[in-house]
Amino acid sequence: DGGITQSPKYLFRKEGQNVTLSCEQNLNHDAMYWYRQDPGQGLRLIYYSQIVNDFQKGDIAEGYSVSREKKESFPLTVTSAQKNPTAFYLCATSSGRLTDTQYFGPGTRLTVL
Amino acid sequence: GDSVTQMEGPVTLSEEAFLTINCTYTATGYPSLFWYVQYPGEGLQLLLKATKADDKGSNKGFEATYRKETTSFHLEKGSVQVSDSAVYFCALSDTRGGADGLTFGKGTHLIIQP
Repeated sequence: DGGITQSPKYLFRKEGQNVTLSCEQNLNHDAMYWYRQDPGQGLRLIYYSQIVNDFQKGDIAEGYSVSREKKESFPLTVTSAQKNPTAFYLCATSSGRLTDTQYFGPGTRLTVL
Repeated sequence: GDSVTQMEGPVTLSEEAFLTINCTYTATGYPSLFWYVQYPGEGLQLLLKATKADDKGSNKGFEATYRKETTSFHLEKGSVQVSDSAVYFCALSDTRGGADGLTFGKGTHLIIQP
């Protein structure tokens, strides 16, 4: 079954703790992306990766970190430095060509208590 | 930098009404344009796209035409259904920036009443 998997769907953490969100894909796509969605704000790009072992900061990278050790996986760590981490996090993939569609996972809703 | 502006909702219509959601953009290159739809608690699904000027994207009765002269990509549907209730996002991918992610509008919440 092809697609993008994000886990868990809901995540609760205490303030000051780091947390890692999972994103796995079996679409054989080169490019992967992390977005953050807040109510009424649309989606904002956190990090993206066009190839294994390489990634770039997006518009709101502060307080986040990523790795891309495998083509299939692009985990996002929300660190304690992120001032307002409660949000809906969406992972996306594409073939990497500019005109190609980005496909989105189901998302992880992170709540920091 | 790039930006996308779309009408803010909620937009409330009766079933079978005509729908228009306006979207305008600012980009430094030659962007591809997209409409995505999001149902409650889910990720985004591509609704349609257009990759060059005057292209028309269409899917499930929705249409949008890439208008370079007015920098617009308005979404239309002739007769909406209750099942069309969702949040709709206009987005662009700028060719000058590389495959570096999409720029999104803030989304338009559409509510269709029976």
